[in-house]
Amino acid sequence: SVLTQPPSVSAAPGQKVTISCSGSSSNIGNNYVSWYQQLPGTAPKLLIYDTNKRPSGIPDRFSGSKSGTSATLGITGLQTGDEADYYCGTWDGSLSGVVFGGGTKLTVL
Amino acid sequence: EVQLLESGGGLVQPGGSLRLSCAASGFTFSSYAMSWVRQAPGEGLEWVSTISGSDSSTYYADSVKGRFTSSRDNSKHTLYLQMNSLRADDTAVYYCAKTISPSGYYAFNYWGQGTLVTVSS
Repeated sequence: SVLTQPPSVSAAPGQKVTISCSGSSSNIGNNYVSWYQQLPGTAPKLLIYDTNKRPSGIPDRFSGSKSGTSATLGITGLQTGDEADYYCGTWDGSLSGVVFGGGTKLTVL
Repeated sequence: EVQLLESGGGLVQPGGSLRLSCAASGFTFSSYAMSWVRQAPGEGLEWVSTISGSDSSTYYADSVKGRFTSSRDNSKHTLYLQMNSLRADDTAVYYCAKTISPSGYYAFNYWGQGTLVTVSS
């Protein structure tokens, strides 16, 4: 994948976790970032857009940030229902298309 | 309520063709770019194509360029993906997705339920 995410992260219920997404100047460095949650067997769900904005209905436990060519998704107050795959995405100006990270599996221990 | 309903998936032989459709409702279809995103079994998300809302400009992933064609009929609120010269590695669930804003091509706030395309002899 053009964007690099850790394959997996884990944390205990109630704790905080961060998921990183590394790219380059042609994508994350000069464009907004989005984040998606995909529960098993379902379509992805938008969590974050414009790097740090939440769509209506997404709790403020989810947050997004960016520094240079890397972006981060933060999740606080972890719940067992947060166990899912998480993907980052952005526009890549060199490719003239959307690029996604390879996905990160979150386990809530 | 925004709804996206894909159809047209199925089993096709290598080298064959298939056309996917995505019926949209609940928003001003012609105002938004629409995209196709696919997910191979057990794999991550892969962007396939985006078509703009107004002038139908199209963008394609290198993996499908020259083989897939995205189009739309704004009068019917429907998005299409014509897939030709299909290969085994095109096997995936194909999602249609609505972009979050008329100019925000990179983020998708609504997704269909997906349609499975299996390329196999």
